[in-house]
Amino acid sequence: SQTIHQWPATLVQPVGSPLSLECTVEGTSNPNLYWYRQAAGRGLQLLFYSVGIGQISSEVPQNLSASRPQDRQFILSSKKLLLSDSGFYLCAWSKLAVRQETQYFGPGTRLLVL
Amino acid sequence: AQSVSQHNHHVILSEAASLELGCNYSYGGTVNLFWYVQYPGQHLQLLLKYFSGDPLVKGIKGFEAEFIKSKFSFNLRKPSVQWSDTAEYFCAVNAYNRLAFGKGNQVVVIP
Repeated sequence: SQTIHQWPATLVQPVGSPLSLECTVEGTSNPNLYWYRQAAGRGLQLLFYSVGIGQISSEVPQNLSASRPQDRQFILSSKKLLLSDSGFYLCAWSKLAVRQETQYFGPGTRLLVL
Repeated sequence: AQSVSQHNHHVILSEAASLELGCNYSYGGTVNLFWYVQYPGQHLQLLLKYFSGDPLVKGIKGFEAEFIKSKFSFNLRKPSVQWSDTAEYFCAVNAYNRLAFGKGNQVVVIP
């Protein structure tokens, strides 16, 4: 069966420091991968998605970037964190690049920028 | 771009009460519809989904949802809730390969 991992689970970082959050998927190949940010009372906001290695699409302009160095690895990064980057970050995967797809979510990383 | 509306962000009810959560979306084409649930301290997980066919969809844990195309709605229901249904519920719409989420309903069931 497929599983999705995210780490770290919780991270506290100072403003201006770099960030690297990692997401890996097991048990499938060539998944679509997604990064979301979840804010209380605001639902989930899609940040990035990727349909293949090195292919990244950004949904909103921001202080963050994403990379996909391997088929089942998706990384969310920042060179300099802002206070507003605090939040709960979710990685998700889906199998098919067609409309009839279900996305499956990881456990998330809670980021606090101080 | 599609948008998803969920009303009554906070819902508090007693065990055995019935639950209905509304979800409306704004997109005129063919959509796929989902309800996700996030129990305290757990992953966001799929509760049920609608792609085509019978508009009344049954999911896990006794939940069901009805797709009403004319109303652009996909409301979630459960006839008798339990304390373990305390969670946050998200409606989502997939169109153009993008999953748009509503803001969620925080449901608290009092024993």
